[in-house]
Parts: sequence; structure tokens; C-alpha cells
Amino acid sequence: RKEVEQDPGPFNVPEGATVAFNCTYSNSASQSFFWYRQDCRKEPKLLMSVYSSGNEDGRFTAQLNRASQYISLLIRDSKLSDSATYLCVAASGTYKYIFGTGTRLKVLA
Amino acid sequence: EPEVTQTPSHQVTQMGQEVILRCVPISNHLYFYWYRQILGQKVEFLVSFYNNEISEKSEIFDDQFSVERPDGSNFTLKIRSTKLEDSAMYFCASSEASGQGGYEQYFGPGTRLTVT
Repeated sequence: RKEVEQDPGPFNVPEGATVAFNCTYSNSASQSFFWYRQDCRKEPKLLMSVYSSGNEDGRFTAQLNRASQYISLLIRDSKLSDSATYLCVAASGTYKYIFGTGTRLKVLA
Repeated sequence: EPEVTQTPSHQVTQMGQEVILRCVPISNHLYFYWYRQILGQKVEFLVSFYNNEISEKSEIFDDQFSVERPDGSNFTLKIRSTKLEDSAMYFCASSEASGQGGYEQYFGPGTRLTVT
């Protein structure tokens, strides 16, 4: 079983749509979770940390379910500029990041 | 806004040659990392470094790899004898020693290594 698993997509959605990505992790000792976005051939950029209580940053909402070992990201009112690959990350030990393979999002005009 | 920088942006080398990839982490960060991403694949952890020592390394980080913080600002990854399969994008990252959010890591723009 992969350590961090994501649906690779692609998700093709119209502008203004709401889209949700899910991610599961296998290591119950994972302590911290994040969502990063990665544009083609660029570095991962931190989108948001994920807390057990859930957190929101503008149009983005992230949730963590430790019992089910499941993380989600919701994007509301999608913009063309949201087109990217979204990387789910679980961190454990000395803050070693385990990345998922990423979910590709394409927002269509 | 402070950022992680990396040089060179692209390095082409022949199989068997040594390469050194350079990184300047964010100045007040104390934890440093190297990751790699083979084209079309996921980002993979190589090594973490704190207080001038390796904290953790992956199976990929074998004897051909080494890291060093030669001065107060640079953090380097050396590959002693490159192989074709070392061709990848190499990302440096850094994080603060403490704080909220579980030690968020900030990534540099990467060095694309091509081994021919």
C-alpha cells in the first residue's frame, strides 16, 4: 500500500466550480499534514497546513480525519489560476515529508 | 519575502562525474532537506539535516550521496559518481526549528540534473 495515496486525476472543472480532493495515508504515526501545489516543472509551494479541527484560507478548506487516516482539500469558486497539481503530504519522524503522487486540476474557461 | 535559492538551475553531466548542487536556505531556518523528483513521478525525500548532522536519510541516499553545510549560508548535495538514473529535479527545502503548523517546509526552485 502506498504511504500517501491520491487520485491522480485529471479533474477538469469549469471556472466557478467547487472541487474536492482526497488523500489517504498509511502511517498512523504521521504527525503533520499539508497541501502543496506544484505547477509544471516548478517547486512545490505550500498551500496550507491541515489541522484536526479543519482550517480555511479564503476559497480553500482542508480537513483531517485521523481515525480514517484521510485528508481532504476543497476549493470553492475555482479560478483558471488554480490549475496545477495538488500534492498531499504527511510528515513524521524528523519532519521527513512523504508526498503523494499529486492530483492534477485543470480549470476550464 | 525570504526564499530558498538553488544553483545551478540546470546541470548536465556525464555518467561517473561528480556534481555538487548548492542551496541557500532561508536565513533563520535551522532544518534543511533535499528531495528529488524524477520526471513524471512523485517528490521523494532524500535527507534531512540539523545542527551539522544528518537527522534522517532515505534508502535512495546511499554512499554516493553526501551533504554539507560548508559555511553559515550554503547547504550542498554532492553526488560522487553520477548514474543515468540520478537524472531528476533536486529540490532543497528548509524549515524553522519551532512554531505553529508542524514545521512547514519551504522549497527552492530546484536544480534539474541531466546525466548523459
